[in-house]
Amino acid sequence: AQKITQTQPGMFVQEKEAVTLDCTYDTSDPSYGLFWYKQPSSGEMIFLIYQGSYDQQNATEGRYSLNFQKARKSANLVISASQLGDSAMYFCAMSRTGAGSYQLTFGKGTKLSVIP
Amino acid sequence: DVKVTQSSRYLVKRTGEKVFLECVQDMDHENMFWYRQDPGLGLRLIYFSYDVKMKEKGDIPEGYSVSREKKERFSLILESASTNQTSMYLCASTRSVGEAFFGQGTRLTVV
Repeated sequence: AQKITQTQPGMFVQEKEAVTLDCTYDTSDPSYGLFWYKQPSSGEMIFLIYQGSYDQQNATEGRYSLNFQKARKSANLVISASQLGDSAMYFCAMSRTGAGSYQLTFGKGTKLSVIP
Repeated sequence: DVKVTQSSRYLVKRTGEKVFLECVQDMDHENMFWYRQDPGLGLRLIYFSYDVKMKEKGDIPEGYSVSREKKERFSLILESASTNQTSMYLCASTRSVGEAFFGQGTRLTVV
């Protein structure tokens, strides 16, 4: 079974500062994918970034980067230069990569609040 | 623009009613999922389907069933709604490993 742990229920960050949201995972699968989603108060789930377990380099998408440490089973999200619009719930998730098993397992989420 | 559409944004039903939540995707994705989201618990998988007429139980299938008669449509059924099924329900679809696309969510209240 796969498990995602997000240990920070809530975090605060000053506008324009960088912030790291923690995520650790547990799986016995050799091949898997790691994801981060953002959920604003409006409720929609917005895909941010993806990291494959065999990817050699850490994924980056604009202001988002995923700090992937495979040996430590961690996949932390780093948001650089925080903006007020970054205030939201953030979910870490993982999936297997075999056919018929693409369902995502989610963590409990971290609520990020950006302070002006 | 890719889309996953859930039939209702808000729904209020009475205890014991049979409830249908519909989800339609226009991306020709094989895989579709129903999640339930509750504060402090994150998203929990109820059921998923990787092909027409195929379904698999997720982590919390009790009290729910699903139907997938066509590739684009995945329905979640509450056979006899109970107050502990009051929640946000999210539908998602994906082709394979990679980004899953979510609907806007249905906030169901059972009274």
